[in-house]
Amino acid sequence: DGGITQSPKYLFRKEGQNVTLSCEQNLNHDAMYWYRQDPGQGLRLIYYSQIVNDFQKGDIAEGYSVSREKKESFPLTVTSAQKNPTAFYLCASSYNRGGRSEAFFGQGTRLTVV
Amino acid sequence: QQQVKQSPQSLIVQKGGIPIINCAYENTAFDYFPWYQQFPGKGPALLIAIRPDVSEKKEGRFTISFNKSAKQFSLHIMDSQPGDSATYFCATETSGSRLTFGEGTQLTVNP
Repeated sequence: DGGITQSPKYLFRKEGQNVTLSCEQNLNHDAMYWYRQDPGQGLRLIYYSQIVNDFQKGDIAEGYSVSREKKESFPLTVTSAQKNPTAFYLCASSYNRGGRSEAFFGQGTRLTVV
Repeated sequence: QQQVKQSPQSLIVQKGGIPIINCAYENTAFDYFPWYQQFPGKGPALLIAIRPDVSEKKEGRFTISFNKSAKQFSLHIMDSQPGDSATYFCATETSGSRLTFGEGTQLTVNP
């Protein structure tokens, strides 16, 4: 049963703490992405990785960090430097097929700062 | 920077109506224009996509119209149903680059 698995589904963080969101895929996709979703603001790209051991900042990378040590895994750490971390976080992966990339998304992690 | 602008932000139609969602882009290098559908609490899923060498693509009740000269593309949903109520995102991409999404349109189809 192929797909993308994000965990946990809900996460609560105290101010000043770092938390790590998990994203695993068994689709054998090379590219993986992290997006943040806030009401009325669509999907904003945090980080993306086209190959293992390489990743690039997206549009809103400040306060976040990632690693890509394995093809199937792309964890996101929300650091204490992120001033407004409460949001819905989505992980995606994609492959290139004839020049187009279909992105497959996980079910998301809802992070709340308490 | 916002490379694709989507409108309207929200849309309410009656069952059987034809909602239309529009997107405009700036970068003429974009060569792939997908639409994603997202239900509450779920991740988005690819609905339909078009390449710039065609002006229209239909899949079931969903149609993309593409106007290359105007740098616009739109999603039409024929005979809309309450089950179509969701958030719809347009996106753009050049070959091998990342997907850039619009702001999303929340569609409500009333029975």
